[in-house]
Amino acid sequence: ETGVTQTPRHLVMGMTNKKSLKCEQHLGHNAMYWYKQSAKKPLELMFVYSLEERVENNSVPSRFSPECPNSSHLFLHLHTLQPEDSALYLCASSQDPSGANTGELFFGEGSRLTVL
Amino acid sequence: GENVEQHPSTLSVQEGDSAVIKCTYSDSASNYFPWYKQELGKRPQLIIDIRSNVGEKKDQRIAVTLNKTAKHFSLHITETQPEDSAVYFCAASAHYGGATNKLIFGTGTLLAVQP
Repeated sequence: ETGVTQTPRHLVMGMTNKKSLKCEQHLGHNAMYWYKQSAKKPLELMFVYSLEERVENNSVPSRFSPECPNSSHLFLHLHTLQPEDSALYLCASSQDPSGANTGELFFGEGSRLTVL
Repeated sequence: GENVEQHPSTLSVQEGDSAVIKCTYSDSASNYFPWYKQELGKRPQLIIDIRSNVGEKKDQRIAVTLNKTAKHFSLHITETQPEDSAVYFCAASAHYGGATNKLIFGTGTLLAVQP
């Protein structure tokens, strides 16, 4: 596999369930991101990890818990979600935005989450 | 923080016509402006980007212009084709160094190219 892969592609869960989304990048990048994509809203940045340390948390509710065990893997642990959390969750990775490298984000296909 | 507004939300053009999508940003420190294309059910992919030290950039049928004074930038697609139909997102970020690229996205424009 190349690029950024996300699993599962689709997930349906109840409000009391605990589940996790997984992201893996095969590009040798050193930063990873979680974005939330809802209908008619901009892509919302949730979390940013650089070199496995969280460097950004845009006031995301604690029912979303990220984990970055190494530079290639990123998880989003889900617990006690609400129906309004239903959305497409996109993972992305990038390399240092320095010099000629603009830090382009490479996205995964996303995990479509439905909370009942 | 940065805020990016994008217009129009939907755009329908005839095949062969041009399409223009406009974005404004609020943070004068922003210095990097990419455009992403997202086809139905697919991931967003970068199609073109521009840095603040350049006013215009072109790549075949697509071009981006940047007006730093007015804090707006635009995507131009010429000779549109049905395969250009997708949602287009603009974004802005300010690079302060470090390994991350904190992109703030616009709300997207659904472009439909009618054959």
